[in-house]
Amino acid sequence: GAVVSQHPSWVICKSGTSVKIECRSLDFQATTMFWYRQFPKQSLMLMATSNEGSKATYEQGVEKDKFLINHASLTLSTLTVTSAHPEDSSFYICSATRLWGASEQYFGPGTRLTVT
Amino acid sequence: GQQVMQIPQYQHVQEGEDFTTYCNSSTTLSNIQWYKQRPGGHPVFLIQLVKSGEVKKQKRLTFQFGEAKKNSSLHITATQTTDVGTYFCAGNGGATNKLIFGTGTLLAVQP
Repeated sequence: GAVVSQHPSWVICKSGTSVKIECRSLDFQATTMFWYRQFPKQSLMLMATSNEGSKATYEQGVEKDKFLINHASLTLSTLTVTSAHPEDSSFYICSATRLWGASEQYFGPGTRLTVT
Repeated sequence: GQQVMQIPQYQHVQEGEDFTTYCNSSTTLSNIQWYKQRPGGHPVFLIQLVKSGEVKKQKRLTFQFGEAKKNSSLHITATQTTDVGTYFCAGNGGATNKLIFGTGTLLAVQP
């Protein structure tokens, strides 16, 4: 149990376009979902925390107008990278927690974004 | 802000040797979690430690949480090639359920 999927697994887009990444909890209801980005050979950097039905909480330095997060249901959160630029190229990973207050996170397989 | 550092950054061992990675937080933690990320993969939860001085074992893996709840360690006995990957600790400050990931230790095991 506790499977999280992401779609797409990889995407290449042109500079200036927007890209939407979906994160789904397949066999449980996720009260909270997290979005991370990871550069090669580096750690995971938390971008934002989203709770179903409420606005996402962004980490310091993350532009909320550039990285739009929607958590419309207990099984789906989306991250939209707007007006993407080459420096936005990265590995984006979502995770989800199963119950209120539980801190164990289940990670999706990640989305490799390349902006040309 | 809160920082979580790990040492070493990289460790290369011969199969059968032991391995240890150390994790240090700049602030006291409510709990600490450990994750393993295989090359090209995503982090997979290993364990959570909550109590001061707690020690937990999973087969060849031993996890410790420091008395001050600011540091932790992961020790692998008799490494195998399947242990290859990056090991991350992740601290939870307690106010929210968000995690601050450590810098990670990449383990390479030579057969």
